[in-house]
Amino acid sequence: QVQLVQSGAEVKKPGASVKISCMASGYTFTNYFLHWVRQAPGQGLEWMGIINPSGGSTSYAQNFQGRVTMTSDTSTSTVYMELSSLTSEDTAVYYCAREIVVVPAAMFGDYFDYWGQGALVTVSS
Amino acid sequence: DIQMTQSPSSLSASVGDRVTITCRASQPISRFLNWYRQKPGKAPEVLIYAASSLQSGVPSRFSGSGSGTDFTLTISSLQPEDFATYYCQQSYTTPPTFGQGTRLDIK
Repeated sequence: QVQLVQSGAEVKKPGASVKISCMASGYTFTNYFLHWVRQAPGQGLEWMGIINPSGGSTSYAQNFQGRVTMTSDTSTSTVYMELSSLTSEDTAVYYCAREIVVVPAAMFGDYFDYWGQGALVTVSS
Repeated sequence: DIQMTQSPSSLSASVGDRVTITCRASQPISRFLNWYRQKPGKAPEVLIYAASSLQSGVPSRFSGSGSGTDFTLTISSLQPEDFATYYCQQSYTTPPTFGQGTRLDIK
């Protein structure tokens, strides 16, 4: 069965960086794009970016440009999200999510069909 | 970016009730609208994709409708596990954007 298993909770000081992993299993890793979405405490969902595990191409949300880096390792079916220059406003649960495109895409588009369990990042001095 | 606005932001209902949640896009998005349920402390899970298609394994009490800018999620008979927060999400353009959420509480 499809699983996305994320690394554990992190506590970081302001100005530091954090790197979270998301290991995929149960499907062909390179066939599906993966996204990162975060959720601040008591808040809604915020899209951060997307990575194509096959080749590693990425696209980032404007809010995170210059601060986020997403990478993939096909040998371990793992994607990583690194966020730098952390502030208290980056305290959130970070999720990876798999994108599925329903054919025909022009009629059905895409959605997030599997999610990791989330990784809590706390930024505090 | 396309703004997604849900209403209401919260509502209270009882087991067995029929409830409807609305999502409005700031510009037309055809039918590229998905609905998710998020239980406390858990990741979101998809319920409906492409406005009205039921995700495999999701109970038939969930249904979706709409196109263009206005969409609805209906739960025909609330079950205890449905007391959660619901989000709409547009997949028409990048970046994908979510509504602010609708919290559904037990009355």
